[in-house]
Parts: sequence; C-alpha cells; structure tokens
Amino acid sequence: AQSVSQHNHHVILSEAASLELGCNYSYGGTVNLFWYVQYPGQHLQLLLKYFSGDPLVKGIKGFEAEFIKSKFSFNLRKPSVQWSDTAEYFCAVRRLNYGQNFVFGPGTRLSVLP
Amino acid sequence: EPEVTQTPSHQVTQMGQEVILRCVPISNHLYFYWYRQILGQKVEFLVSFYNNEISEKSEIFDDQFSVERPDGSNFTLKIRSTKLEDSAMYFCASSLPSDRINYGYTFGSGTRLTVV
Repeated sequence: AQSVSQHNHHVILSEAASLELGCNYSYGGTVNLFWYVQYPGQHLQLLLKYFSGDPLVKGIKGFEAEFIKSKFSFNLRKPSVQWSDTAEYFCAVRRLNYGQNFVFGPGTRLSVLP
Repeated sequence: EPEVTQTPSHQVTQMGQEVILRCVPISNHLYFYWYRQILGQKVEFLVSFYNNEISEKSEIFDDQFSVERPDGSNFTLKIRSTKLEDSAMYFCASSLPSDRINYGYTFGSGTRLTVV
C-alpha cells in the first residue's frame, strides 16, 4: 500500500549526540516533503519543507533534511541535539496533482537525556 | 506570525451527543482542513474545504461528520453523534494553494475531544 514510513518509533539520545530520523514514502510522481515537530502538549510546527531544487534543505533550530529521490527518502538530521529537542517528529508527504492534503508518517518520538 | 486558532482546547462530551469544534484559519488562506490524531497514533487527514465546499475527504469522514464555514472567519467540524472512538486530538489547518510562491500550511494547536 502507498504510505509514509518512519524507521524508528522511539529514539533516545544524550545531549550533543547526532540525530538522523528516517522517512520513506512509496508514492510515484512529484511530491512535496515536510517534517513537522510536536512538542509535548503543543500543536504541529513546521521544521522544514522540500518542494524542488537543492535536495538538502535547512530548517529551523539547526535541523536539515536530504531528499534522495532514488531512495524515496527524506531523512531528518541534526548534528547536535539538545534536551529541548525532545518531541514527536512527523514526516509528511503531499503528492502533486492529488489534492492539497498531507499523508503523515506514524511519527518518531525523540527523547534527549540531559 | 499569523496563527490558526482552535476552540475549545479540550472538550468532554457524552457518547451520542453532538459536538462542534471551531477553528479560525489564517485570514488570507483559501484551503481549510481537519486532521485528527488518536492518542499514540499518527495524524490522519479527515477533510479539506475550498471555495465553500468539500474538496477532498478520507474514508474516516463519514456521514457523522460535517464541515461548515458559517461566516467569513470560522471553520467548524461537527460530529453528529459521537462515539468513544472519536476521542482524539483534532487539528485544524489552513493553507494557500500549493502553486502560490509563499505556500504555507499552518496547523492550529488542536482540540482534545474526549468522549465518555
């Protein structure tokens, strides 16, 4: 079935460790790709998005993501995490010419230990 | 920065009761959406609304659900007869069309619906 998958359900890191969260999608055609973050008790916030052009996208709070078209992947990275990065991270895909709505991945919970 | 506002933040309702969740989208946005997130699960698309009509809906959005833009600012989701499994966080979102240069897609803070 066509879907968005995220590799890890829960990731636990120490502060200053490097982070990489995997995201894969199974749709063909042109897509827009997004990473959203949800801090405990808060709403979804956009971290970064990819529409076209440079496949390495930089977002807020030191996050970046790389779109690899051949692998249908859009992995999220941060070189050095902080305790305040503890949150749920959602990858989302919007298929062009298939409407305006998003398909979200199941989410990855990141816990950063101080 | 413009925000999508949702009220109430938390609503408790008895099974079988009707509930209306309210949202005020960003004023120059043209598309409006409802998503839901059952506790511990992923965010799921419910419905999108454009030009005063539903443009897309998922299989979750059955006859128990309806949406309305009763005036120029509010966008509501009504659940006619709530079931226990409707308990979830409901997110409203609004956006410009994707072909606009400043394409934006903004979520509200959510309404936690608890059906008892």
